[in-house]
Amino acid sequence: QKEVEQNSGPLSVPEGAIASLNCTYSDRVSQSFFWYRQYSGKSPELIMSIYSNGDKEDGRFTAQLNKASQYVSLLIRDSQPSDSATYLCAAIIIQGAQKLVFGQGTRLTINP
Amino acid sequence: EAQVTQNPRYLITVTGKKLTVTCSQNMNHEYMSWYRQDPGLGLRQIYYSMNVEVTDKGDVPEGYKVSRKEKRNFPLILESPSPNQTSLYFCASSLAFEGDIQYFGAGTRLSVL
Repeated sequence: QKEVEQNSGPLSVPEGAIASLNCTYSDRVSQSFFWYRQYSGKSPELIMSIYSNGDKEDGRFTAQLNKASQYVSLLIRDSQPSDSATYLCAAIIIQGAQKLVFGQGTRLTINP
Repeated sequence: EAQVTQNPRYLITVTGKKLTVTCSQNMNHEYMSWYRQDPGLGLRQIYYSMNVEVTDKGDVPEGYKVSRKEKRNFPLILESPSPNQTSLYFCASSLAFEGDIQYFGAGTRLSVL
């Protein structure tokens, strides 16, 4: 099993709806999780980090961490066409030193 | 402006011709790393550096070299590029360690013919 796995999509969501992106992780992953957004042809940028079980909200974005089920989600409320991008889930694994591992990314398209 | 600068942005080369991709950050970050991004495989770490003169292999180090002689610079060297190194490369830096926020450069799209 890969340390961090995502459905590559594409995921299509109508404008104004909630987009839900999911990521599962293995036992090797520690407690730090990140969501990066990457527009086509651009570099990734951090949009959310979450370290404890439960929800963390930042504007239209909510990250959810469920340690018992080993998944982390990103919800985007009131989706806008500008949210169309690839979303990368990343997590820290302990492998001697800390190591950041990325999922393969989920491509999200918001349809006007 | 805080940034990570990579050069060149685009590069087409031929098999076996040595090349260097430069990376420089102006945030006094200790941690720097190189990733390659390929369709369906996400970002994979090539090498990382925790400080000056301290480098270590990531997940896919074969065919690459790095150096960290100064804190701000972390060049990626391909001694003898091969077509399977055709990819999109990103340099990233973070304040102290890998779990900090990663700031990415704009990327270098490399084609090896």
